[in-house]
Amino acid sequence: EVQLVESGGGLVQPGRSLRLSCTTSGFTFGDFAMSWFRQAPGKGLEWVTFIRRKAHGGATEYAASVKGRFTISRDDSKSIASLQMNGLKTEDTAMYYCTRGFETPRHWGQGTLVTVSS
Amino acid sequence: DIQMTQSPSSLSASVGDRVTITCQASQDINNYLNWYQQKTGKAPKLLIYHASILETGVPSRFSGSGSGTDFTLTISSLQPEDIATYYCQQYDNVPRTFGQGTKLEIK
Repeated sequence: EVQLVESGGGLVQPGRSLRLSCTTSGFTFGDFAMSWFRQAPGKGLEWVTFIRRKAHGGATEYAASVKGRFTISRDDSKSIASLQMNGLKTEDTAMYYCTRGFETPRHWGQGTLVTVSS
Repeated sequence: DIQMTQSPSSLSASVGDRVTITCQASQDINNYLNWYQQKTGKAPKLLIYHASILETGVPSRFSGSGSGTDFTLTISSLQPEDIATYYCQQYDNVPRTFGQGTKLEIK
């Protein structure tokens, strides 16, 4: 069974950093791209970033709203995708979801809540 | 960026009704369109991909159609468990973009 479990969320002050992890199981992690999406409280869904698999160069893409502040990475040996978030802003407050794939994400984690507030 | 315009933003219908949600892209997206269902407090669930392909395990009352820039999600006979918010999303280009969502309620 494919499983994705996000962790690392919490309350953080504006300008600080946070690192989210997505621990996976049930599939060959290295064979898939991984993505992050987010959803601000009461709002719609927003794509954040994805990283291709290493066979495709591990290339990354970012939403304009996070480019230069967020970095996605992957550790194929541990089947973990990570999202390093620097320079956090209040508008980054959201539930963050990781997904397998970057075109038709059919497997999602339960999400981890990030709250940016002073 | 490709803009996705979804309508209506909310919808109230009776059990057994046929329900239609539309999604319009600001440019041709080559049918690279997903539909998701999101129930309160839960992660989104992929219903349909490539505009019309039903995801495994999704009830056959759900269907997707359309091409180019105009797409439709149809529920042929609304069931109580279909209460949710529905989103369209294009994956033709980066950034991936979503419609604003349609909140579906039962009358």
